[in-house]
Amino acid sequence: GESVGLHLPTLSVQEGDNSIINCAYSNSASDYFIWYKQESGKGPQFIIDIRSNMDKRQGQRVTVLLNKTVKHLSLQIAATQPGDSAVYFCAESMDTGRRALTFGSGTRLQVQP
Amino acid sequence: NAGVMQNPRHLVRRRGQEARLRCSPMKGHSHVYWYRQLPEEGLKFMVYLQKENIIDESGMPKERFSAEFPKEGPSILRIQQVVRGDSAAYFCASSPSVSSGANVLTFGAGSRLTVL
Repeated sequence: GESVGLHLPTLSVQEGDNSIINCAYSNSASDYFIWYKQESGKGPQFIIDIRSNMDKRQGQRVTVLLNKTVKHLSLQIAATQPGDSAVYFCAESMDTGRRALTFGSGTRLQVQP
Repeated sequence: NAGVMQNPRHLVRRRGQEARLRCSPMKGHSHVYWYRQLPEEGLKFMVYLQKENIIDESGMPKERFSAEFPKEGPSILRIQQVVRGDSAAYFCASSPSVSSGANVLTFGAGSRLTVL
């Protein structure tokens, strides 16, 4: 279901530590997943994506893990920096993205200097 | 490459007025999506359009809301007779033809509607 009027869950980490942000999705037919970063007052910004035929994909300082068995997605950020502070959303789609993305509720990442 | 352009960035309307939000997709992109975001919440899908064609409007409220993407000009999200509950940030995103596979949406900076 959708949460209405609830504050975003917050993950607070120290600068330099690794961050892990989790996301559960509900549609077992989803075959394409994306992580977006949204800074205050801005639109979402693409970070990394993964298709359902993969279970891991790495980018620069970020790794996405996909566990289709339990319908779970995670974003790992290595050596977290103050500039990583933002709200992170996972999004899913079917037909390898031929349909609109459905967004999760988001996690706020706060990086302590 | 100017990215996805939305205007106005901020719009204030009184109850009962009309709000029009505009979105110009990235150059070369032919697909436009509109999402709504309430404070401290995720983005909720509203409508997906191609030029002169609505592909999926399953997220659009049945009344007062409409969207178009004409052959020429930007996509328009129109909200008639606004109510306070319409206050939100409205984000537009665009993508190239999805025939190439994965559909990464590029988002604009959003239009923030406040209804007094």
